Amino acid sequence: DAKTTQPPSMDCAEGRAANLPCNHSTISGNEYVYWYRQIHSQGPQYIIHGLKNNETNEMASLIITEDRKSSTLILPHATLRDTAVYYCIVRARTGANSKLTFGKGITLSVRP
Amino acid sequence: EAQVTQNPRYLITVTGKKLTVTCSQNMNHEYMSWYRQDPGLGLRQIYYSMNVEVTDKGDVPEGYKVSRKEKRNFPLILESPSPNQTSLYFCASSHKGGGPHTEAFFGQGTRLTVV
Repeated sequence: DAKTTQPPSMDCAEGRAANLPCNHSTISGNEYVYWYRQIHSQGPQYIIHGLKNNETNEMASLIITEDRKSSTLILPHATLRDTAVYYCIVRARTGANSKLTFGKGITLSVRP
Repeated sequence: EAQVTQNPRYLITVTGKKLTVTCSQNMNHEYMSWYRQDPGLGLRQIYYSMNVEVTDKGDVPEGYKVSRKEKRNFPLILESPSPNQTSLYFCASSHKGGGPHTEAFFGQGTRLTVV
């Protein structure tokens, strides 16, 4: 699986949009971009994933650049409960082991 | 409600005393796996299973065993726990493959301390 690079931390004000960047310059054509988050020491929670088109669901939006070498997760109206570690993961479309390779992630702190 | 259930949530045990952490999912997922999470090392895969009776090693399998006799259950067995297995453990399940509709669901974690 391709590796990802994320800044270690960022913060944003409650109610504002949080834009979390991720670089995955070695991503290959058969790899999806997934985002998970982990609140304190709870189990990681799936947020969204995409291949090359932008995606939106009830939690967030995922913007993938045209060359697919980077992406941005957008939480449109961050709340205090969005404070968590966010992991950007690239993962092959097929393969025997659907392993998720977690890096260090980015710690998002939402301030009141 | 779709969920992955791990038990126990917390466990303190002594070196060498066999223990089992259970994991059960109600989503009919083929794929299940175990991770451990340690400070500074992140989440690392221990074992995984592609389906019933099919298991394989992940990145850090030493000291662990698993079994998959039924689709919904995937217990993690520590035959002779040691202090270096003190960690936070997560079970996960998903439909197999890496494409769409394969998001993984994680349990709430089991915090194990081996003294």
